[in-house]
Amino acid sequence: EVQLLESGGGLVEPGGSLRLSCAVSGFTFSNYAMSWVRQAPGKGLEWVSTISLGSGSTSYADSVKGRFTISRDNSKNTLFLQMNSLIADDTAVYFCAKDVDGPLHWGQGTLVTVSS
Amino acid sequence: SYELTQPSSVSVSPGQTARITCSGDVLARKYVRWFQQKPGQAPVLVIYKDSERPAGIPERFSGSSSGTTVTLTISGAQVEDEADYYCYSAARVFGGGTRVTVL
Repeated sequence: EVQLLESGGGLVEPGGSLRLSCAVSGFTFSNYAMSWVRQAPGKGLEWVSTISLGSGSTSYADSVKGRFTISRDNSKNTLFLQMNSLIADDTAVYFCAKDVDGPLHWGQGTLVTVSS
Repeated sequence: SYELTQPSSVSVSPGQTARITCSGDVLARKYVRWFQQKPGQAPVLVIYKDSERPAGIPERFSGSSSGTTVTLTISGAQVEDEADYYCYSAARVFGGGTRVTVL
């Protein structure tokens, strides 16, 4: 069974940093691209970032480019999202997803709240 | 950047047919996926490649495509189908979402 478990969310002040993790099981992690998608409270889904299976290629939404960094550790079956210079608009539930030409299986998400 | 346009809400009586559209220029050359999201839950894939249904998704869910518009159809909608539905294209874009109410 495919499982994805996000962690690392919490309350952070504007300008602060946070690192999200996504531990996966039930599939060969190193064979798949992975993505982060977020959802602000009461709002729709927004693609954030994608990383290729070998970390050779990354892409970002314009809204986070230059502030967020996606990475992965294939030896630990774990995906990461380093978030710097956080702003109020980054407040959202962050989902990690197994990516096959787009999100396929999703975790349950972790809430990030940016507030003073 | 690309945009995908969905109606904000659709209402249907139990047993009737609900149709949700997703429009955008990019859809003329990119496949669409549809996700169902219930409150407090992660999205679930219900349709991929415009009209393919993943294993475990009820047959009442179907998809179709015509030009720059794709349609998710729920034939014989059930109360448990009440949810938000999002289209997604391989251009890394989500539609704004459609709240489907079954009552």
